[in-house]
Amino acid sequence: AQTVTQSQPEMSVQEAETVTLSCTYDTSESDYYLFWYKQPPSRQMILVIRQEAYKQQNATENRFSVNFQKAAKSFSLKISDSQLGDAAMYFCAYRHYGGSQGNLIFGKGTKLSVKP
Amino acid sequence: EPEVTQTPSHQVTQMGQEVILRCVPISNHLYFYWYRQILGQKVEFLVSFYNNEISEKSEIFDDQFSVERPDGSNFTLKIRSTKLEDSAMYFCASTVSTDTQYFGPGTRLTVL
Repeated sequence: AQTVTQSQPEMSVQEAETVTLSCTYDTSESDYYLFWYKQPPSRQMILVIRQEAYKQQNATENRFSVNFQKAAKSFSLKISDSQLGDAAMYFCAYRHYGGSQGNLIFGKGTKLSVKP
Repeated sequence: EPEVTQTPSHQVTQMGQEVILRCVPISNHLYFYWYRQILGQKVEFLVSFYNNEISEKSEIFDDQFSVERPDGSNFTLKIRSTKLEDSAMYFCASTVSTDTQYFGPGTRLTVL
């Protein structure tokens, strides 16, 4: 079974600085999707970024980028120029590619604090 | 921009009562999901639904739970006889294909 591990329960960053959140996963599949979701205090789950495993190029969305290392099964999220609004729980998630097994498997999350 | 909506935002119920949580997925989406998150814990998959039937369910989704798409827009989760441990945030999600899932704002269920 696939598992997702986030080894940093909490992280802190100074406003305008850069922070990297770690995620590792375990799977025997070669094709899959990886996601980072943000959950602010409102508890809504907001998609931050996604990565298809067959793509070698790391995904980027404005200040958010990933470092996808397929062989190492690592998928870290880098937040540049951190803003106060980035403070939230961040969940890494895995999804099987195609077929009916569409459910997301989440890590336990990393709570990010942003200091002014 | 289209979004997934959920009602109610907060539901308080007595143990043993039935509750129905409602979701309106994004209109052209075909795959629907329910997840739950107990406070302070990770998000857990409950069930997926496609083509008017359950396509996959977790071991959490026992006989107390059921899902339905009663019309062309709503997607519901019913808990027949709630237990204290059912208290959680319940998220509905939908996707047009089999990749990115978009989540609703959640329903906070409190069982007393």
